[in-house]
Amino acid sequence: DAMVIQNPRYQVTQFGKPVTLSCSQTLNHNVMYWYQQKSSQAPKLLFHYYDKDFNNEADTPDNFQSRRPNTSFCFLDIRSPGLGDAAMYLCATSGITPSEAEAFFGQGTRLTVV
Amino acid sequence: DAKTTQPTSMDCAEGRAANLPCNHSTISGNEYVYWYRQIHSQGPQYIIHGLKNNETNEMASLIITEDRKSSTLILPHATLRDTAVYYCIVRLTGANSKLTFGKGITLSVRP
Repeated sequence: DAMVIQNPRYQVTQFGKPVTLSCSQTLNHNVMYWYQQKSSQAPKLLFHYYDKDFNNEADTPDNFQSRRPNTSFCFLDIRSPGLGDAAMYLCATSGITPSEAEAFFGQGTRLTVV
Repeated sequence: DAKTTQPTSMDCAEGRAANLPCNHSTISGNEYVYWYRQIHSQGPQYIIHGLKNNETNEMASLIITEDRKSSTLILPHATLRDTAVYYCIVRLTGANSKLTFGKGITLSVRP
C-alpha cells in the first residue's frame, strides 16, 4: 500500500494561474520534503518541514510556498507558474532517528505549464 | 551536510556484481552514508545506509572504508531492473537534518 501519496499524478496549469499540489502520508513521520526535478537532473530540495517548523532553501523562489496543516498532509503552492516551473514535483517523508531516517517518496506530480 | 563525489556513469553485465563508488572525504563523525536510487519516471527509493560498519540488506551491501572517506554500494547480482540513477548522500539525522541529492551515477545493466 502506498505510504506517500501525491495527487494528482499529472497536472496541467496555465501560465500565471495558481496551482496546488498535494501530498499525504500514512507513516506519521515528522519530516516532509518537497523537491523539484527537471529532466535529466537530480531532485532539488525546495523546502522541508519538521513538524510545523518550516525550512526554506535559500535559492527557492518566492513563487513557491508550502503549507502543512497537520502531520499527514503537505501542500505545494505555486503562486504564478511560469514555463520554467514545468517539472516533476516529489514529496518525501522521514523520521528523525537513525533507524527511521530513510525517506519514503511519492510517485511525483508532473506539472505542465501551458 | 558533507559533499559526495560519484562517477557520472558505469555499466555492468546482467548477473554480475555492480560496485558503485562514492567519495565523501569531508564526512563528519556523526554523518551517515545513505544510498538511494531512482528508476526512470519514479520517485527515489531508499536502498541502504550506514555509519561506520558495513551493512547488508536484501537489496545491496554497503562497504564503508575505515577512515569513512569513501564507500561502495554493491549490487551482488545486477539485473536489467537495476538500471537507474544511484545517489550517494551523506547526512545527519535529527530534527533539522535535510536530504539533498548530488548528481548521482547512472548505472546501465546490459543483457
